[in-house]
Amino acid sequence: DIVMTQAPLSVSVTPGESASISCRSSKSLLHSNGITYVYWYLQKPGKSPQLLIYRMSNLASGVPDRFSGSGSETDFTLKISRVEAEDVGIYYCGQLLENPRTFGGGTKLELK
Amino acid sequence: QVQLQQSGAELVKPGTSVKLSCKASGYTFTSNHMNWIKQTTGQGLEWIGIINPGSGGTSYNVKFKGKATLTVDKSSSTAFMQLSSLTPEDSAVYYCARGPSFDYWGQGVMVTVSS
Repeated sequence: DIVMTQAPLSVSVTPGESASISCRSSKSLLHSNGITYVYWYLQKPGKSPQLLIYRMSNLASGVPDRFSGSGSETDFTLKISRVEAEDVGIYYCGQLLENPRTFGGGTKLELK
Repeated sequence: QVQLQQSGAELVKPGTSVKLSCKASGYTFTSNHMNWIKQTTGQGLEWIGIINPGSGGTSYNVKFKGKATLTVDKSSSTAFMQLSSLTPEDSAVYYCARGPSFDYWGQGVMVTVSS
C-alpha cells in the first residue's frame, strides 16, 4: 500500500498569516498520463471531510483561492494564505492513484 | 445540488451484521462510483472499497474483504454497505463519498459495536 505521511501533526496560525502543510508519499503519484493523483481534504469540527484540491494543484469548486496545492512526484504541499477562522480543522492528503486509496494521518490547524 | 444522505447511527451487538445506506441525489447515480470510508480516532481515514453503481462492479481494500459487502439499488439511487461478524474494532464512523475524487461526502454514520 502507498503510505502517506503528513507533517506537522498540528499547526497554530495567527489569523491573516499563511500556513503550509506537507505530505509525502512512499511511491510516485505521477501517472503516465501526466496527472499527479494527490488530493487534499479538510474536515471541519463535527463535519464530514470536504475536497479542497484535486490532482495536486486544482482547486475544487467553491474553495477560496487562498488555498493552493503544489509538489513533485512524492512530496506535496498545501498552502493556505491569509488564514481565517473558517479554515480550522484537520487537513488530510490522500492518494487516488491506486487501490487501496490511502490517506495521511492528518494535520490539525488551530488559530492562535 | 449533490447530496449523499446516510442512514442513522447504529448500536449493534458483537457477532451480528449491519447494513448502512447512502442515498444519492442531485446527479445521475449510475455515472459516478461510490466509495466507502472508515474513520476512527486511532486509524484515521481508511478506504474500504468502491462500487460502480452502473455495473455493480466492486473493488475492496484487502483489509476489508470478507468484512464489507457493497451493493446498490439503482431504482432508489442508494448505495449500501453491509458489515458482518462485527467486533468492537468495527466501531467507527463510516462515510460514503462520491468517486473518483471523493468530491462529495455523506454526513457519516456512527456504528457502535457493544454487548
